[in-house]
Amino acid sequence: DAMVIQNPRYQVTQFGKPVTLSCSQTLNHNVMYWYQQKSSQAPKLLFHYYDKDFNNEADTPDNFQSRRPNTSFCFLDIRSPGLGDAAMYLCATRQGAVEKLFFGSGTQLSVL
Amino acid sequence: DQQVKQNSPSLSVQEGRISILNCDYTNSMFDYFLWYKKYPAEGPTFLISISSIKDKNEDGRFTVFLNKSAKHLSLHIVPSQPGDSAVYFCAASDRGTGGGADGLTFGKGTHLIIQP
Repeated sequence: DAMVIQNPRYQVTQFGKPVTLSCSQTLNHNVMYWYQQKSSQAPKLLFHYYDKDFNNEADTPDNFQSRRPNTSFCFLDIRSPGLGDAAMYLCATRQGAVEKLFFGSGTQLSVL
Repeated sequence: DQQVKQNSPSLSVQEGRISILNCDYTNSMFDYFLWYKKYPAEGPTFLISISSIKDKNEDGRFTVFLNKSAKHLSLHIVPSQPGDSAVYFCAASDRGTGGGADGLTFGKGTHLIIQP
């Protein structure tokens, strides 16, 4: 089945230690998103790629970076995680003019 | 400031009855609305959507109503089943109106609990 896959499901890192979350998709969608969701909060858009074009939300901290080496893969790098970065990170995809987003299962990040 | 608001953090409904989940928005540039369902430890899954040119869209047990003048939409689930217990997110898009933003703007979600 075509899908959006996020690895790992759970990630524990230390305060200040860089961490990378990964997302892959078999849907061949041209747009990929990263959302951050904290407990009982709305998912918040961090950035997205339209094909290879990177689009950063204005309020996304510089601590968060992303890479998309090809259509299928997208990575979220947190350079120096703080305690406030503990959250669920959701990857999503979209194709063309279709509004519907397809989400992965998310990565729950803990920062110790 | 939240542009999409779901003011009920939780809702409890008896099995077989109607569940009504509400959502309000403030951005008049939003022209497409979606509802997502999320189980614990899973990503959100698409449920139903509606364009701003319509006021109702129906899919099986799920109906979404849109009142543009009130900037309000609601999701009706009839009849409610135990498997409907989940968190429901309202989301909105302004891509069609050239609002400039990509991606969806989400509300905080409503936790629906269906009681047997």
